[in-house]
Amino acid sequence: NAGVMQNPRHLVRRRGQEARLRCSPMKGHSHVYWYRQLPEEGLKFMVYLQKENIIDESGMPKERFSAEFPKEGPSILRIQQVVRGDSAAYFCASSPPSTGLYGYTFGSGTRLTVV
Amino acid sequence: AQSVTQLDSQVPVFEEAPVELRCNYSSSVSVYLFWYVQYPNQGLQLLLKYLSGSTLVKGINGFEAEFNKSQTSFHLRKPSVHISDTAEYFCAVTPQGSTLGRLYFGRGTQLTVWP
Repeated sequence: NAGVMQNPRHLVRRRGQEARLRCSPMKGHSHVYWYRQLPEEGLKFMVYLQKENIIDESGMPKERFSAEFPKEGPSILRIQQVVRGDSAAYFCASSPPSTGLYGYTFGSGTRLTVV
Repeated sequence: AQSVTQLDSQVPVFEEAPVELRCNYSSSVSVYLFWYVQYPNQGLQLLLKYLSGSTLVKGINGFEAEFNKSQTSFHLRKPSVHISDTAEYFCAVTPQGSTLGRLYFGRGTQLTVWP
């Protein structure tokens, strides 16, 4: 039973390029959450998705960031025209529908470096 | 709205000493509480959670936490630490009954265990 799989583990992009981060949830988990961890800070919520639906995107920056969780395939967090301030660790978590009782399972993260 | 305060950003201790990592929260509604551990370059792993019932919760690796509703605290303790406990520890809450399942994290406490 594989855990939450994120790839790539490390991603280097030049300023202005696009970054695509992938997350495959655990088997049986239909809810996906993306969090961002800036240096020396805790995790900040970005977006909550279910299959083909964005449920809560209140933590997403208004521009350049988008997320999707298609019917088939992994969830994708896309950052367009990256800037140095986007350098961070991005974590995906998945959960069964009754999240409050069971909590999350986190992936190992994608560490994005913008040069 | 919810917020979590971890009062100590760094806690250095010697091996086999007891340790307490402090966590206070603020919320207008009842919450579920969690402690996560993050080892270097890894994702977050659930240590323990409080959902209801006994206010003393036991988790993995010999950790335990006590929920104190009147003081809105959820401090993490271990009677005797090992060098392998060196990691970042995060306290988190989520509102009970919320369908959003969003976690609110503290900024983290770096526990360093010295030989």
